[in-house]
Amino acid sequence: AQSVTQLGSHVSVSEGALVLLRCNYSSSVPPYLFWYVQYPNQGLQLLLKYTSAATLVKGINGFEAEFKKSETSFHLTKPSAHMSDAAEYFCAVSDPEYGNKLVFGAGTILRVKS
Amino acid sequence: EAGVVQSPRYKIIEKKQPVAFWCNPISGHNTLYWYRQNLGQGPELLIRYENEEAVDDSQLPKDRFSAERLKGVDSTLKIQPAELGDSAVYLCASSGQGELNYGYTFGSGTRLTVV
Repeated sequence: AQSVTQLGSHVSVSEGALVLLRCNYSSSVPPYLFWYVQYPNQGLQLLLKYTSAATLVKGINGFEAEFKKSETSFHLTKPSAHMSDAAEYFCAVSDPEYGNKLVFGAGTILRVKS
Repeated sequence: EAGVVQSPRYKIIEKKQPVAFWCNPISGHNTLYWYRQNLGQGPELLIRYENEEAVDDSQLPKDRFSAERLKGVDSTLKIQPAELGDSAVYLCASSGQGELNYGYTFGSGTRLTVV
């Protein structure tokens, strides 16, 4: 069965600092991986996805993530945090053998300090 | 193009009362999902539809939850009777062909509070 572990339920960075949100997955086959962002009282918005093409994936709002098979990781980064990045971020894995069901991590709340 | 539309946005009910949520997916999307998101957790799949057929409802508590997707377009999720532990955000999502290349599109959710 697939699973996702997001290290750190809360991450706090200063405005302009590097953002690093960690995600490790467990999957029996090469996975599809996603990062979603959720602003308060809103639904989930897709940031980026890995679908077995390039291992470095660029998404919206300046975010990117690197798929590392040897580490079973898919960490999300952004070089310079903005106040508007404050939100909750979810990593998710999907396995076609499980009907493309998305399995989500518990989420990481990102706080950006001015 | 409208996204995935859900209603109501918020609902407060007393325990043991029934409640229903409605979802209208993106036009042309054959696959529809209902997820439940408990406070402080990631969403968990309740049920997945391919057109009118529920192809994965293994996580749906069938004693009190029911769902339908008549005509393979919009969908309704019902809880009867509601319990305190059902308080959560209920998210609907839809996807089309090659959905793994594009991810799902989620609605804004219905926040249910059972008192």
